[in-house]
Amino acid sequence: DQQVKQNSPSLSVQEGRISILNCDYTNSMFDYFLWYKKYPAEGPTFLISISSIKDKNEDGRFTVFLNKSAKHLSLHIVPSQPGDSAVYFCAANDGNKLVFGAGTILRVKS
Amino acid sequence: KAGVTQTPRYLIKTRGQQVTLSCSPISGHRSVSWYQQTPGQGLQFLFEYFSETQRNKGNFPGRFSGRQFSNSRSEMNVSTLELGDSALYLCASSLEGSRRGETQYFGPGTRLLVL
Repeated sequence: DQQVKQNSPSLSVQEGRISILNCDYTNSMFDYFLWYKKYPAEGPTFLISISSIKDKNEDGRFTVFLNKSAKHLSLHIVPSQPGDSAVYFCAANDGNKLVFGAGTILRVKS
Repeated sequence: KAGVTQTPRYLIKTRGQQVTLSCSPISGHRSVSWYQQTPGQGLQFLFEYFSETQRNKGNFPGRFSGRQFSNSRSEMNVSTLELGDSALYLCASSLEGSRRGETQYFGPGTRLLVL
């Protein structure tokens, strides 16, 4: 069963606008969440993380929001840039390993 | 600081052969985890090594094995290759392992094609 779900396979956004990527999880034991960005033929690059004791974490243009009661997190990118076009993976740490979502392809159009 | 490195970057093998992949973690990192990425399955956890010991293992058959050396470098071996083993194999390193609050940093991956 998929414990981490990214229900949108792809998202297309205009340059300069906000990109919102969503992630849902089912395991309430997860208490540390990460977002990675991946270009083709490269390994995932760490973007931003959040602990369950927080509901928001910001780093430059990237903000991650966590809603524990809904078991939902989201990544906001503002403003979106063409170089942000990539696959974005949400991951959760269960204390033994990272559990990944299937990824969302983000396309930022100029 | 140099990032995680993986060799080789690309491999082509035939069914029934075996393959060994190598991963060098970030200096000072003692934990190395391996993941398999396939188009349909996303990133799946294979195993984690810490201080030369396998600490965690994912749901993969025994054909997949690994080891870690005293300098934290890790190797992954797949024996009796099957077509379905074609994938991108990623390793990730972290300071102390998959503990809560730790970030794992990934290498570029090894692309394995089994014919």
